Amino acid sequence: DTGVSQDPRHKITKRGQNVTFRCDPISEHNRLYWYRQTLGQGPEFLTYFQNEAQLEKSRLLSDRFSAERPKGSFSTLEIQRTEQGDSAMYLCASCILAGGPGEQFFGPGTRLTVL
Amino acid sequence: SQELEQSPQSLIVQEGKNLTINCTSSKTLYGLYWYKQKYGEGLIFLMMLQKGGEEKSHEKITAKLDEKKQQSSLHITASQPSHAGIYLCGAYQGAQKLVFGQGTRLTINP
Repeated sequence: DTGVSQDPRHKITKRGQNVTFRCDPISEHNRLYWYRQTLGQGPEFLTYFQNEAQLEKSRLLSDRFSAERPKGSFSTLEIQRTEQGDSAMYLCASCILAGGPGEQFFGPGTRLTVL
Repeated sequence: SQELEQSPQSLIVQEGKNLTINCTSSKTLYGLYWYKQKYGEGLIFLMMLQKGGEEKSHEKITAKLDEKKQQSSLHITASQPSHAGIYLCGAYQGAQKLVFGQGTRLTINP
């Protein structure tokens, strides 16, 4: 399978614990995006990378959130001291750098439940 | 910031019927994406529209971007159970980021 993959698919954690999610983009894609989707809403942009550089972070990304893409390939999203409001689907997408709109490929998502 | 409003928020149709989902933007659209999402899963790319008046079709799904580039519609002809899911429109924001509407949940009754 050469699509975007995410791991784990589901994560249940207790409030206050740290969690880390992984995204493996399509191999030749140099841009990688993280989105968060809550129930009944569309995805909201969190942050994106061009190769290993994190170029933009949304206001939604509080200090408890950190994302990395150390070698410009896979990326991790860590949430520290989780809160119940962090419960959501975390989606990763990747695409090839382009001068304008281009197709973004999404992974299956990681569903986080904070008890 | 740009906002997208989808209507209706949910839709129940009889199998075989046609249906239309609308997406209205608060600003000019420079790229409008349609995605489908099965409950609890990722997004599947359907189509992308860029030019005013552009229309694209894939199997029984047709999407249009109006001339003023502030509204798009998604039309499904002769709906089938496989069309059920959540349809999301997304607007290009630069750097290929997307802002999404809230989604339209489509149910197909046999």
